[in-house]
Amino acid sequence: EADIYQTPRYLVIGTGKKITLECSQTMGHDKMYWYQQDPGMELHLIHYSYGVNSTEKGDLSSESTVSRIRTEHFPLTLESARPSHTSQYLCASTPRAGTGGIYNEQFFGPGTRLTVL
Amino acid sequence: QKEVEQDPGPLSVPEGAIVSLNCTYSNSAFQYFMWYRQYSRKGPELLMYTYSSGNKEDGRFTAQVDKSSKYISLFIRDSQPSDSATYLCAMGDYNQGGKLIFGQGTELSVKP
Repeated sequence: EADIYQTPRYLVIGTGKKITLECSQTMGHDKMYWYQQDPGMELHLIHYSYGVNSTEKGDLSSESTVSRIRTEHFPLTLESARPSHTSQYLCASTPRAGTGGIYNEQFFGPGTRLTVL
Repeated sequence: QKEVEQDPGPLSVPEGAIVSLNCTYSNSAFQYFMWYRQYSRKGPELLMYTYSSGNKEDGRFTAQVDKSSKYISLFIRDSQPSDSATYLCAMGDYNQGGKLIFGQGTELSVKP
């Protein structure tokens, strides 16, 4: 089982609240990703990072922000949550190429189910 | 048009059936192909990986890639109730720095 953790697992909040979804991995992976997953829809990449102090926006426009101050930690923040942010958020990581294993195998956390009322 | 198309199902089969899950894609630059399995309330985990056309077998699972038709399949033989999960195809291009493009996922239920 992958050593990647997400907290909280479930979150129900009101509109306008600021929230931070936590993601941590203990595998020393350089690359980390945040995806949004809705039923019947493909995983949408919303943010990614190739290392400390490196963050990029993904293919899906998102009002969230991320930071990567430490290798193992990649939190996602919503400054003002709205009902349209209701979704499942998945964090993933992958080791640097050439360090062994399957190229670009992404290891996923269990996800955070966010509901904004 | 989506880069990767996958029939979302749901698909319900009896135990012991052969299951075929499929994805089509439009980007000929994709060079490696994956199948992830996602159990309820869990994150996806890698099930099969291949980077060439042809078949790759692992136990009851066979991954098939046809690059000329831009079509990949996952076959599950002798399906078991424990195979009940959502299966996501994913693919990538070595020049895209590790980003994967996922299909919508197919929800599979294997009835005992």
